[in-house]
Amino acid sequence: DAKTTQPPSMDCAEGRAANLPCNHSTISGNEYVYWYRQIHSQGPQYIIHGLKNNETNEMASLIITEDRKSSTLILPHATLRDTAVYYCIVRSLISNFGNEKLTFGTGTRLTIIP
Amino acid sequence: GAVVSQHPSWVICKSGTSVKIECRSLDFQATTMFWYRQFPKQSLMLMATSNEGSKATYEQGVEKDKFLINHASLTLSTLTVTSAHPEDSSFYICSAYPGQGGNTIYFGEGSWLTVV
Repeated sequence: DAKTTQPPSMDCAEGRAANLPCNHSTISGNEYVYWYRQIHSQGPQYIIHGLKNNETNEMASLIITEDRKSSTLILPHATLRDTAVYYCIVRSLISNFGNEKLTFGTGTRLTIIP
Repeated sequence: GAVVSQHPSWVICKSGTSVKIECRSLDFQATTMFWYRQFPKQSLMLMATSNEGSKATYEQGVEKDKFLINHASLTLSTLTVTSAHPEDSSFYICSAYPGQGGNTIYFGEGSWLTVV
């Protein structure tokens, strides 16, 4: 499984864009990059995923470098409710049936400052 | 997005007893469900993967006789912690996969287990 590296913590001012980096230098060609976040004492919440093109949805944007060795999750206008641990995960296949598992690293603890 | 529900959200049990946690996919059929556990201030650790109608695949170091997983239908998986001990106290989280390539894996709200 490809591993990911994220900074342990980051602060961001409320209303500013939060940019969370992730390194996944051993990613394989058919592996997707997924982002989840976990607010204290809750299950992880899906944010966004991508393969090689940049992606945007109502929550965030995902920028993947051309060599796919790193990516950045962008929260365009951070609010206090965005304070959470953010996990960057590379999806791996575990069987020929296309089943997949998500292996979590330590994530980035993002704190939005008023 | 898709909804995955866990029950109970928290449970306290006595040491030596067994406790069952249910995980349901409410609006899709989950061919695969995953069970994680999370200790305070730590990341999620995958315990096992279960496919509907077959035996679960456990991660290295997870005792299959202690953590019984059943995935009898496409919308329900259960985790039974047998002969629970205080060290089994943790946050248990399930996730469900719809089974089509490229789709997202969705997580339940988690279940807090406290063994006293």
